[in-house]
Amino acid sequence: DADVTQTPRNRITKTGKRIMLECSQTKGHDRMYWYRQDPGLGLRLIYYSFDVKDINKGEISDGYSVSRQAQAKFSLSLESAIPNQTALYFCATSDHRGTIGELFFGEGSRLTVL
Amino acid sequence: AQKVTQAQTEISVVEKEDVTLDCVYETRDTTYYLFWYKQPPSGELVFLIRRNSFDEQNEISGRYSWNFQKSTSSFNFTITASQVVDSAVYFCALSDTGGFKTIFGAGTRLFVKA
Repeated sequence: DADVTQTPRNRITKTGKRIMLECSQTKGHDRMYWYRQDPGLGLRLIYYSFDVKDINKGEISDGYSVSRQAQAKFSLSLESAIPNQTALYFCATSDHRGTIGELFFGEGSRLTVL
Repeated sequence: AQKVTQAQTEISVVEKEDVTLDCVYETRDTTYYLFWYKQPPSGELVFLIRRNSFDEQNEISGRYSWNFQKSTSSFNFTITASQVVDSAVYFCALSDTGGFKTIFGAGTRLFVKA
């Protein structure tokens, strides 16, 4: 089983719908991140969290919200999806006690908004 | 603000050729970390290397080598004797002091033809 698991792996939805992408990890890491990947733009940071009570906005947080339900769980929500949120979304973790900054990624969630 | 630039969008080489992927970064931090990640066609993101800002020693790992030059704010990646399995998107990334936040370049897609 993957150490960082994302669900769903693929989702097609319609404009205006609420969508939640979930991420869970078994690595015991304290830090968790959500990135989106778009062709030609690389990975852009949406939100990050250093522990359950800590949530920080990244480069492109508008239109997104997150919840850190437990150390191992970090969910990304799109309250009202729009077509330009079509992208590949990655959850990642890191451990402040390990190699600083090294990220461990989930397999990605491909979201299509029609 | 931090920034990572990968000017090469796509590179195509023939197997056994050497290829260098360029990465230029901007940061005001005196301590920072640089990374390379690989994304093969299967889509997962794989950590390749981390370098901290105080260590300008070049590194070699098999066919891979990295050249870090603070004077030019560059962290270039060379693959020697490329192979078809090296075909992937390669991302350069920059993390701030403490590894709290990592930003990525747009990526370079490498095609290695047999």
